[in-house]
Amino acid sequence: QKEVEQNSGPLSVPEGAIASLNCTYSDRGSQSFFWYRQYSGKSPELIMSIYSNGDKEDGRFTAQLNKASQYVSLLIRDSQPSDSATYLCAVREGTNAGKSTFGDGTTLTVKP
Amino acid sequence: NAGVTQTPKFQVLKTGQSMTLQCAQDMNHNSMYWYRQDPGMGLRLIYYSASEGTTDKGEVPNGYNVSRLNKREFSLRLESAAPSQTSVYFCASSEGGAGHTQYFGPGTRLTVL
Repeated sequence: QKEVEQNSGPLSVPEGAIASLNCTYSDRGSQSFFWYRQYSGKSPELIMSIYSNGDKEDGRFTAQLNKASQYVSLLIRDSQPSDSATYLCAVREGTNAGKSTFGDGTTLTVKP
Repeated sequence: NAGVTQTPKFQVLKTGQSMTLQCAQDMNHNSMYWYRQDPGMGLRLIYYSASEGTTDKGEVPNGYNVSRLNKREFSLRLESAAPSQTSVYFCASSEGGAGHTQYFGPGTRLTVL
């Protein structure tokens, strides 16, 4: 079983809708959780990081973390065509090395 | 401030050839990482360096070696390339520790024939 699982895609939503991306992880010792966006042919770039249970909001993006259930999610409100990309969930262990494990990604398409 | 740079951007090798992928960062980060990304998949960690002078294996280290040349530079070497190593290779750096963001380079697209 993969250590970090993301909901299978692709995910398609109409412009203006809410896109919901989910991620579960197996290592209960994980300390930090990240969402990266990757456009086709480009490198990943950080959207959100979250470390504590609950919600964290940044503009149209909200990350939600539930350590007891071992899941983290990303909500994108008022989705725009420019949000069309692959979203990678990354989970980091709690050591000085900060080694990360990535999910396989969910590809989101926002249709105008 | 260039961030994380990688060379080359593209490379085609024949089976059995060797090559070194170069990575450099100018953010004074302690930790550096090498990942590979196969089509439709996430990033898999090959090797990482938590700090200058240390290196450790990641998830898929077989067929690769690394050198942390100094705080800025972290190279990845393929001694005898195989078609299974055809992939996109990303270098990343971070301040180190669990809470710090990783910053990625633009990637090297490697094809092994």
